[in-house]
Amino acid sequence: AQSVTQLGSHVSVSEGALVLLRCNYSSSVPPYLFWYVQYPNQGLQLLLKYTSAATLVKGINGFEAEFKKSETSFHLTKPSAHMSDAAEYFCAVSSSSNDYKLSFGAGTTVTVRA
Amino acid sequence: DGGITQSPKYLFRKEGQNVTLSCEQNLNHDAMYWYRQDPGQGLRLIYYSQIVNDFQKGDIAEGYSVSREKKESFPLTVTSAQKNPTAFYLCASSMGRDRPNYGYTFGSGTRLTVV
Repeated sequence: AQSVTQLGSHVSVSEGALVLLRCNYSSSVPPYLFWYVQYPNQGLQLLLKYTSAATLVKGINGFEAEFKKSETSFHLTKPSAHMSDAAEYFCAVSSSSNDYKLSFGAGTTVTVRA
Repeated sequence: DGGITQSPKYLFRKEGQNVTLSCEQNLNHDAMYWYRQDPGQGLRLIYYSQIVNDFQKGDIAEGYSVSREKKESFPLTVTSAQKNPTAFYLCASSMGRDRPNYGYTFGSGTRLTVV
């Protein structure tokens, strides 16, 4: 079985401040982990992914995430928020236990204050 | 450019009607998926297909039907049996089980509203 929990449905940050979005996963076998971003009324765009290579993964738009097996976490960070980062972010997991289908967290909406 | 095209972008359905949402991809992906998105609930899997002429139910298949007659196309029908169809529907595709590390590519979605 596999599942994803995103802590905090809404996060508000000031422009230029650190963005931290938390994601914890549950998987009985080694997982693949993904972060996606969604802008209003659009589809999801892949930000970054962990696929068992480096544990610190860099993605698009200055985002990065670190895979920590001992904590079953895959938190997303960006050192300095920009107004264009306002969106909804989804963490997702896939594994052989679920035929490699993606399971998504409930999402975190990020608001950026000027 | 390769991608996934969903149409229409907005769709209005009267009570008791069936409607079909289109999803076409030119990425040569083997697998295709339909998700439903409701506020605060993330994405829930409706149906998926790993190969042509084969598909499986996801977590919330009741009131929906699909077909996969061509590799490029995976239309979703929302039937009158679906009691609460108003939602944002997302189609996705992937390389399937053989390349799980690539993740999914998503379409831009169809917003269905019951009037």
